[in-house]
Amino acid sequence: DTGVSQDPRHKITKRGQNVTFRCDPISEHNRLYWYRQTLGQGPEFLTYFQNEAQLEKSRLLSDRFSAERPKGSFSTLEIQRTEQGDSAMYLCASSSTPRGGKPSNYGYTFGSGTRLTVV
Amino acid sequence: AQSVSQHNHHVILSEAASLELGCNYSYGGTVNLFWYVQYPGQHLQLLLKYFSGDPLVKGIKGFEAEFIKSKFSFNLRKPSVQWSDTAEYFCAVNAYGNKLVFGAGTILRVKS
Repeated sequence: DTGVSQDPRHKITKRGQNVTFRCDPISEHNRLYWYRQTLGQGPEFLTYFQNEAQLEKSRLLSDRFSAERPKGSFSTLEIQRTEQGDSAMYLCASSSTPRGGKPSNYGYTFGSGTRLTVV
Repeated sequence: AQSVSQHNHHVILSEAASLELGCNYSYGGTVNLFWYVQYPGQHLQLLLKYFSGDPLVKGIKGFEAEFIKSKFSFNLRKPSVQWSDTAEYFCAVNAYGNKLVFGAGTILRVKS
């Protein structure tokens, strides 16, 4: 396993178009997260899944954004009717559920991200 | 809501200088704390983490961080930086077992 994979690495799209990104987490990780990072800022949480269930969504995730994880493995993030303000790096991360209340191995592994540019 | 403040956005040091990057968080309960590093062109990598126990945590590449609960701080330190430590460093906090809340990051440039 080579870690968390994201595809594509870069995407340039025209305003108003739809885009979809894919994330393949580490295979034994049951949690998957999407973050967005803009220049000069740290990553901001968008949403997360435990297995196939989407358990939390940020207020940053407008109606134009939708994420799925249909079989509890890979996930997709779709942005409809893109706007210039959507330009950012979209990061995916995965982790395991802490066991027995002892998160000694709890940590997130991040992918390299998808850089979206909306022109 | 949780928030994380990183004191300096840009730090420039000469090789062999000592490093301390400040991180303060706002949350009154039990927290898990992390430092991540992002080298140019690479993905975020975990440097170290604190969950409980000894407040002085040692991570990879000679980095360490100290959790001071009374100050809500988790500062990152390295006694002697190298040119290869040039990167962006992010402090993050996790209070509910799920999402991480990140600071804005500190860009470190080490002059050789």
